[in-house]
Amino acid sequence: EAQVTQNPRYLITVTGKKLTVTCSQNMNHEYMSWYRQDPGLGLRQIYYSMNVEVTDKGDVPEGYKVSRKEKRNFPLILESPSPNQTSLYFCASSLWVAGGPQETQYFGPGTRLLVL
Amino acid sequence: QQPVQSPQAVILREGEDAVINCSSSKALYSVHWYRQKHGEAPVFLMILLKGGEQKGHEKISASFNEKKQQSSLYLTASQLSYSGTYFCGTEMRDKGSFNKFYFGSGTKLNVKP
Repeated sequence: EAQVTQNPRYLITVTGKKLTVTCSQNMNHEYMSWYRQDPGLGLRQIYYSMNVEVTDKGDVPEGYKVSRKEKRNFPLILESPSPNQTSLYFCASSLWVAGGPQETQYFGPGTRLLVL
Repeated sequence: QQPVQSPQAVILREGEDAVINCSSSKALYSVHWYRQKHGEAPVFLMILLKGGEQKGHEKISASFNEKKQQSSLYLTASQLSYSGTYFCGTEMRDKGSFNKFYFGSGTKLNVKP
């Protein structure tokens, strides 16, 4: 079954304790992206990647890091989480051809993060 | 850069129609529409590319006016299953935005029996 998986689904942590949220897709998609969703603000792109070792900042990258060492995985790292990073996080993937339009994005189930 | 959606919320009776608008201050290359049910991930509805074409998906269709930098989603004869939050997503092709993706803040649609 084609899918995007994220782990963990729920996470409660304390300020400053490093954490990683994993994301994996089995559709051989080139484009992967992380979004955060906050009430009234919709989904905002944190980072995206167009292929292995190619990542770039989205609209709200401060306080986050990513890596893309394998095509299927795109972990999101919060090195020193703060309460303002409490949010619902979604990973998404899509096909991507250089110069072509964005394709359908397939979303993971989401990770709900609470930073105390 | 985030597109603006209107209205923020709509309440409908089953069988009624609704229009959701999405507009941008910058030139758009494509517009996507997604629907999110409470507690779930967004699900793709359709993509509209530069060229003004109108697309349809059962009783849900959309248009894209690139000159006005606007897209509209049309829901006709709404069903209970249409309830959820609708997001437009936009792709621009200017220097600072290439390959980035922006979602609107969402329109909450509630269809009542």
